[in-house]
Amino acid sequence: DAKTTQPNSMESNEEEPVHLPCNHSTISGTDYIHWYRQLPSQGPEYVIHGLTSNVNNRMASLAIAEDRKSSTLILHRATLRDAAVYYCILTNDYKLSFGAGTTVTVRA
Amino acid sequence: DTGVSQDPRHKITKRGQNVTFRCDPISEHNRLYWYRQTLGQGPEFLTYFQNEAQLEKSRLLSDRFSAERPKGSFSTLEIQRTEQGDSAMYLCASRPAGLSMNTEAFFGQGTRLTVV
Repeated sequence: DAKTTQPNSMESNEEEPVHLPCNHSTISGTDYIHWYRQLPSQGPEYVIHGLTSNVNNRMASLAIAEDRKSSTLILHRATLRDAAVYYCILTNDYKLSFGAGTTVTVRA
Repeated sequence: DTGVSQDPRHKITKRGQNVTFRCDPISEHNRLYWYRQTLGQGPEFLTYFQNEAQLEKSRLLSDRFSAERPKGSFSTLEIQRTEQGDSAMYLCASRPAGLSMNTEAFFGQGTRLTVV
């Protein structure tokens, strides 16, 4: 699987937006970009995914660079419940390969 | 609750004992995955089923590990002769049929194994 690079950690204030970057310079044309998050003591939870176009859902937005070598997950208004590890994953088959992710801390 | 269910949630066992975990996927999902996660790390892929067929096993899955999915419904993961290094969270996930890379995976809450 192509590799992704994410910062180890990010901090945010409650009610403010959070922009989580992910670099994937070796992405192939068939790789989808998936984001999952994992709250403490829980299994991972799907957040959003996309291929080429920006995507929005009730949880977040995914902004994909035009060359697809990077993407950004946007949480529009962070809440304390958004404190989690966020994983950026590339996949072009049935498997999801997780890296270490970004630990997001939200300050009240 | 129609999510992925794992049982037990916690298991403490003595080194050398055998343990078995169960995963009940979302009923219409034909794809099932097992992952292992140690503290501070992301989940590591162990094995994948499509219906009852086990299509891939990671090199992490030693001979002491075996997984089954009879009839393509629930799955079991057995660890024989447990070692302290087997202590981890074991996660199960399922996905519906269709283009895998374009569907979301649903994870259970995991089984936390402690080998003493």
